[in-house]
Amino acid sequence: GQQLNQSPQSMFIQEGEDVSMNCTSSSIFNTWLWYKQDPGEGPVLLIALYKAGELTSNGRLTAQFGITRKDSFLNISASIPSDVGIYFCAGPGNRDDKIIFGKGTRLHILP
Amino acid sequence: KAGVTQTPRYLIKTRGQQVTLSCSPISGHRSVSWYQQTPGQGLQFLFEYFSETQRNKGNFPGRFSGRQFSNSRSEMNVSTLELGDSALYLCASSLKSGGTEQFFGPGTRLTVL
Repeated sequence: GQQLNQSPQSMFIQEGEDVSMNCTSSSIFNTWLWYKQDPGEGPVLLIALYKAGELTSNGRLTAQFGITRKDSFLNISASIPSDVGIYFCAGPGNRDDKIIFGKGTRLHILP
Repeated sequence: KAGVTQTPRYLIKTRGQQVTLSCSPISGHRSVSWYQQTPGQGLQFLFEYFSETQRNKGNFPGRFSGRQFSNSRSEMNVSTLELGDSALYLCASSLKSGGTEQFFGPGTRLTVL
């Protein structure tokens, strides 16, 4: 079935650094979603992308929908402690509307 | 606007028992989806309900079932619990069926002993 591969699995960065993570698939996705999950909470939608090549920002977050429709990346600029958490990419499957999630990128910020 | 609520937040059961979890979607949202989250498998889709009908189903055994009421509240039931059912169960609501902009609740942490 369709799968989303996220990399890296985890990241350790210094506060203030920029962060980049990506998500790839062997099949085409028509929508890319980026979620963040804080400990003990459900995921929160950060950015939704609907068009190939689309670049969308939400504050310090920027995400792009790859031209091939098989990848997407999420950048976080000037990281702060509250950016800690797990970032998931997701998208609806092609055969049905089931949302498929990547395994997540866990972001750690060193003091 | 109140967010998605799930009850209970934590639950401990023993193998063989059954459990019912509840989800109240955001007011006006008619679609409720359920997910199982485990460290090994990540977030996996269980099923989606829209207007009291199951619209989509993931690859889980028949021990996992759900329903939706006329006020859009949803319940999921797991019968004959197994140790591997220990997980965080999340529900998400959206305005329309198959909606990609889903809003998640905080989850119910189920531990099976």
